[in-house]
Amino acid sequence: KAGVTQTPRYLIKTRGQQVTLSCSPISGHRSVSWYQQTPGQGLQFLFEYFSETQRNKGNFPGRFSGRQFSNSRSEMNVSTLELGDSALYLCASSRDTSGNTIYFGEGSWLTVV
Amino acid sequence: GENVEQHPSTLSVQEGDSAVIKCTYSDSASNYFPWYKQELGKGPQLIIDIRSNVGEKKDQRIAVTLNKTAKHFSLHITETQPEDSAVYFCAASIGGRNYGQNFVFGPGTRLSVLP
Repeated sequence: KAGVTQTPRYLIKTRGQQVTLSCSPISGHRSVSWYQQTPGQGLQFLFEYFSETQRNKGNFPGRFSGRQFSNSRSEMNVSTLELGDSALYLCASSRDTSGNTIYFGEGSWLTVV
Repeated sequence: GENVEQHPSTLSVQEGDSAVIKCTYSDSASNYFPWYKQELGKGPQLIIDIRSNVGEKKDQRIAVTLNKTAKHFSLHITETQPEDSAVYFCAASIGGRNYGQNFVFGPGTRLSVLP
């Protein structure tokens, strides 16, 4: 059974640009959540989607957005990139939304220069 | 909001010894506590979890204990091996929600197992 797949794995962007990251959850999983991981702030929750609806949102500015498609695949977008957005962005999927186990992908490494 | 503290931040043990990592949480409504292992360049991998209706859970060399009254939970690794070297994260579910899931993670513990 395939795990959570994230693309791209690595990318470099310039300040002011925007970026879109993609996540394919484990087959049968309908909930997708996103986390930002940095050395200074650790793992921080961005948002969670279930049935194409955003259920929860963390404390990030509006430049961070996401969406989920009918096949449960999800994308997150960061607009007007800042140097501080450099981080590992992790996607996690779960079977449902009742606080069950989440499984992480390998992440997308974003470097903003 | 929920806050999760984790100690120690770094831990070095000799191969074969035991390692213990402790976490405390603040939200009494939290009811699910997973532990993740993250190796260099990889995403966090679930290694064990515990729910609030259980006090202890064991899986081979790994065990987790939960003290709801004191709001702390611990990861115990016995007979450590070099491949146990990684960063370990504890997490607590955000309580009081009927749907949705998000977790607050501890800052991580870098475990080094010395041969």
